Amino acid sequence: TQLLEQSPQFLSIQEGENLTVYCNSSSVFSSLQWYRQEPGEGPVLLVTVVTGGEVKKLKRLTFQFGDARKDSSLHITAAQPGDTGLYLCAGIAGGTSYGKLTFGQGTILTVHP
Amino acid sequence: NAGVTQTPKFRVLKTGQSMTLLCAQDMNHEYMYWYRQDPGMGLRLIHYSVGEGTTAKGEVPDGYNVSRLKKQNFLLGLESAAPSQTSVYFCASTLRGVSNEQFFGPGTRLTVL
Repeated sequence: TQLLEQSPQFLSIQEGENLTVYCNSSSVFSSLQWYRQEPGEGPVLLVTVVTGGEVKKLKRLTFQFGDARKDSSLHITAAQPGDTGLYLCAGIAGGTSYGKLTFGQGTILTVHP
Repeated sequence: NAGVTQTPKFRVLKTGQSMTLLCAQDMNHEYMYWYRQDPGMGLRLIHYSVGEGTTAKGEVPDGYNVSRLKKQNFLLGLESAAPSQTSVYFCASTLRGVSNEQFFGPGTRLTVL
């Protein structure tokens, strides 16, 4: 069974601060995704990283996939109250995985004005 | 284009009662999934389907059954509900062989007393 350890579980910061969320595993994933979830809604995909060492940027969000494809990070620059939500990392195993996702525990981010 | 819809949105059951959760998608996706989300545990895969008439067990299948008689619908059944099945249930779908982006429904909040 592949596991993804996500940290921290909770993050409470002031508007304008930077933050990083980590997602770690002892297993190799063929790709890794980051989702964001608002209260009362389902998760929505932010990004997919596929290549070891890959870095993707989405406005103030920077996603990195580790060289060994076992870990990933999400960095938010100058956080805003609109960034508040639950962030989830999810890994896809190699081979015939049928797109099944293994999720981390999630990080609840609260950005105070 | 409604995406992924789930019925009902909320339900309260007594221990031992049965119910069926319905998931429908209008995106012609081959793969469909049922997850449960509990605090501090991310999303865990219950069952999944890679096509009409096929189903397979996920990480936490005990106490649940599924059926996919039509491509657009994926049903999750609880034959004899237990308090441990109190959770938020999400259905998701994805298009085979593309980006592996999963599209999630809005969730069903189930409480078993």
